[in-house]
Amino acid sequence: EAQVTQNPRYLITVTGKKLTVTCSQNMNHEYMSWYRQDPGLGLRQIYYSMNVEVTDKGDVPEGYKVSRKEKRNFPLILESPSPNQTSLYFCASSPRGGPVTEAFFGQGTRLTVV
Amino acid sequence: AQKITQTQPGMFVQEKEAVTLDCTYDTSDQSYGLFWYKQPSSGEMIFLIYQGSYDEQNATEGRYSLNFQKARKSANLVISASQLGDSAMYFCAMREGRSYGGSQGNLIFGKGTKLSVKP
Repeated sequence: EAQVTQNPRYLITVTGKKLTVTCSQNMNHEYMSWYRQDPGLGLRQIYYSMNVEVTDKGDVPEGYKVSRKEKRNFPLILESPSPNQTSLYFCASSPRGGPVTEAFFGQGTRLTVV
Repeated sequence: AQKITQTQPGMFVQEKEAVTLDCTYDTSDQSYGLFWYKQPSSGEMIFLIYQGSYDEQNATEGRYSLNFQKARKSANLVISASQLGDSAMYFCAMREGRSYGGSQGNLIFGKGTKLSVKP
């Protein structure tokens, strides 16, 4: 089954404790991205990757890191989480193919930083 | 300036009636795609429908149709015969085509409309 898998689905952590949210897709997509969703703000892009070893900042990259060592995986790293990073996070992937290509979303990770 | 504007934070509709969710967009690109996603209370993002800027026909997928008015830069979602299961957040999104794969290729989302279907 074609899918984007995020783990964990729910995470409660303390300020400053490094964490990683994993994202994996099995569709051989080149393009992957991370979004955060906050009430009243919609989804905002954190980082994206056009292919292996190619990553770039989105609209709200501060406090986050990513890596793309393999095509299928695109982990999101919070080196020192803070309470303002409490949010719902989505990973998405798309094939290369122009503007009318669907983005496939993971199920989301609800992160709480206390 | 906002690229995607959804002016209805919340809407109510009676079961079995049709409802239109508004979306306007702003782009100078000639080539772009418009998308609608549904987010139920469980949180996942469900793709509903898309429209390409060069498509002359309005897109339809089952009970969903996209009312695309290019000159007005609007891409409204029409849900016919609403069902209780349609209660959810709905997001309009755009992907510009200027240089797909770079920052211009990102999906840009509106802030969403919360639809509630009344029995």
